[in-house]
Amino acid sequence: KNQVEQSPQSLIILEGKNCTLQCNYTVSPFSNLRWYKQDTGRGPVSLTIMTFSENTKSNGRYTATLDADTKQSSLHITASQLSDSASYICVVTLDYKLSFGAGTTVTVRA
Amino acid sequence: EPEVTQTPSHQVTQMGQEVILRCVPISNHLYFYWYRQILGQKVEFLVSFYNNEISEKSEIFDDQFSVERPDGSNFTLKIRSTKLEDSAMYFCASSPRGQGAVKSPLHFGNGTRLTVT
Repeated sequence: KNQVEQSPQSLIILEGKNCTLQCNYTVSPFSNLRWYKQDTGRGPVSLTIMTFSENTKSNGRYTATLDADTKQSSLHITASQLSDSASYICVVTLDYKLSFGAGTTVTVRA
Repeated sequence: EPEVTQTPSHQVTQMGQEVILRCVPISNHLYFYWYRQILGQKVEFLVSFYNNEISEKSEIFDDQFSVERPDGSNFTLKIRSTKLEDSAMYFCASSPRGQGAVKSPLHFGNGTRLTVT
């Protein structure tokens, strides 16, 4: 069973709108939780990295939150742009092992 | 900004052939990794490499696979006797510290798409 579950699997939003992606994990405790953006045909690019004790981390229009009690993280995209169309992957690290979620595919339409 | 570079971007090979995927990690990084992503599926860990030896490998990384750092810059993944199910995107990654270190950034290359026919 995958230790990192993401929802929704995919979503479509209009340009300029906000959206929130969810990540539930069972890996606990962990070293850090990461969010990556993966454009089609490209390698993942790091957006945020949070330790167990951090609640929120921002990178421009991307804001990640972490609730260690409920083992949930979310990634909020503000004022979406066409270039935000990509897959967003949640990754949880325990020791040296990374557990990848299957990703949420975001499509931003004009 | 320094990047992880991978070549070729696309490799087509026949079943049973050997392929070598090449990567140039970021120059001051010490830890190197190979991951793969089968089309439509999640990224999967294959192997990590540090100090000229494998530090960890997954169950996917069987005797068919090997890694090598032949010189100070290249990091290669060799797949012997390829199978149809080896078709995937293979990503190389590097980091300055191990992934257990707090906030050790992991930098991915853009991948090699391997197609086995």
